[in-house]
Amino acid sequence: NAGVTQTPKFRILKIGQSMTLQCTQDMNHNYMYWYRQDPGMGLKLIYYSVGAGITDKGEVPNGYNVSRSTTEDFPLRLELAAPSQTSVYFCASSDRNYYGYTFGSGTRLTVV
Amino acid sequence: LAKTTQPISMDSYEGQEVNITCSHNNIATNDYITWYQQFPSQGPRFIIQGYKTKVTNEVASLFIPADRKSSTLSLPRVSLSDTAVYYCLVGDMAHTGGFKTIFGAGTRLFVKA
Repeated sequence: NAGVTQTPKFRILKIGQSMTLQCTQDMNHNYMYWYRQDPGMGLKLIYYSVGAGITDKGEVPNGYNVSRSTTEDFPLRLELAAPSQTSVYFCASSDRNYYGYTFGSGTRLTVV
Repeated sequence: LAKTTQPISMDSYEGQEVNITCSHNNIATNDYITWYQQFPSQGPRFIIQGYKTKVTNEVASLFIPADRKSSTLSLPRVSLSDTAVYYCLVGDMAHTGGFKTIFGAGTRLFVKA
């Protein structure tokens, strides 16, 4: 049982480039989330999804896009990367009854 | 969404009991209280969740007073490996409209030998 898998683990982007952070869960969870964590700070919610085909903005959605075509996958798209998007990105999932989130191991992104 | 307030940092020694208190004055009727632990370079890990009174599992205890405006995470006999950041979250269990929670800065616990 892999839980939540994120790829890549590390990435360096140049300003203006785009990329997709991948997130897959194998627990059949309805809810999925993307958070970012800046150094020494808590996590901020970027986007979340309550099921396939349904997504909504969190606290800090600007500069990001998401899609949820299947229950398992919830990719996060960065368009026109900026230095302010340098952060660690965590994907998480939870079931309908919410007995806690299961987090992935994170993607460390640097924009230079 | 209920906001939480926790101490920024705490120090302890191995073998001691550690209590971390979280304040959540505007907690709503449907809100549950959940605690997470995060080690460096890892995602947060669920520790314990509760609604009222006391909850205990193999890792920790959670104490919630009757007014639910605060909660206390209790870690018995901490070890060096308990050095981590601990987050208190308050969130609505409602299924419709999504489930959103806010992570604050957490409490950085440092356990010394």
